[in-house]
Amino acid sequence: EAAVTQSPRNKVTVTGGNVTLSCRQTNSHNYMYWYRQDTGHGLRLIHYSYGAGNLQIGDVPDGYKATRTTQEDFFLLLELASPSQTSLYFCASSAQISNERLFFGHGTKLSVL
Amino acid sequence: GEKVEQHESTLSVREGDSAVINCTYTDTASSYFPWYKQEAGKSLHFVIDIRSNVDRKQSQRLIVLLDKKAKRFSLHITATQPEDSAIYFCAASRSNNRIFFGDGTQLVVKP
Repeated sequence: EAAVTQSPRNKVTVTGGNVTLSCRQTNSHNYMYWYRQDTGHGLRLIHYSYGAGNLQIGDVPDGYKATRTTQEDFFLLLELASPSQTSLYFCASSAQISNERLFFGHGTKLSVL
Repeated sequence: GEKVEQHESTLSVREGDSAVINCTYTDTASSYFPWYKQEAGKSLHFVIDIRSNVDRKQSQRLIVLLDKKAKRFSLHITATQPEDSAIYFCAASRSNNRIFFGDGTQLVVKP
């Protein structure tokens, strides 16, 4: 079973704060994704990557940066956090971009006060 | 891009009855249709998928039907049990393109 580990599990910050969410996958998957989940909006794709150094823009990228430092590690950065970014964030990975299941991490609950 | 719609935001059934969750998609080139389950307070995990070369797939109590002409696919859960209560997400993708999710259907199985 593919393992996707997110940290931290919970994070509280203030408006304007700087936050980094971390994700590591240990299944040698090429693709990694950051989603946010909000009631009424389902899952929304923020950024994704197909390998170290690569970054692709998702559907709701504004206010977020991301960086894929290695095949295993994908980070989501909120440099000036806003209350609208309060959400549940999921990282996921897959071997290929399509026709392959995604493996999700446990999620990070972020609260921006 | 692709748009995937789930028609039921919530669905309530009696234990032992069948549940059906319906999804539609817009991209005729979509060829892969997975379903994910999210139990309360937990993450999503894959439950079943179907590819466009077939129109039906079954895994134990889960059946997925695909109607390519109507661009519609559905998840049937037979003999529902309390542990089937969860949010179910349908999704679609075409070759060499990212996946698109529906907004989820909250299934409640009442005893």
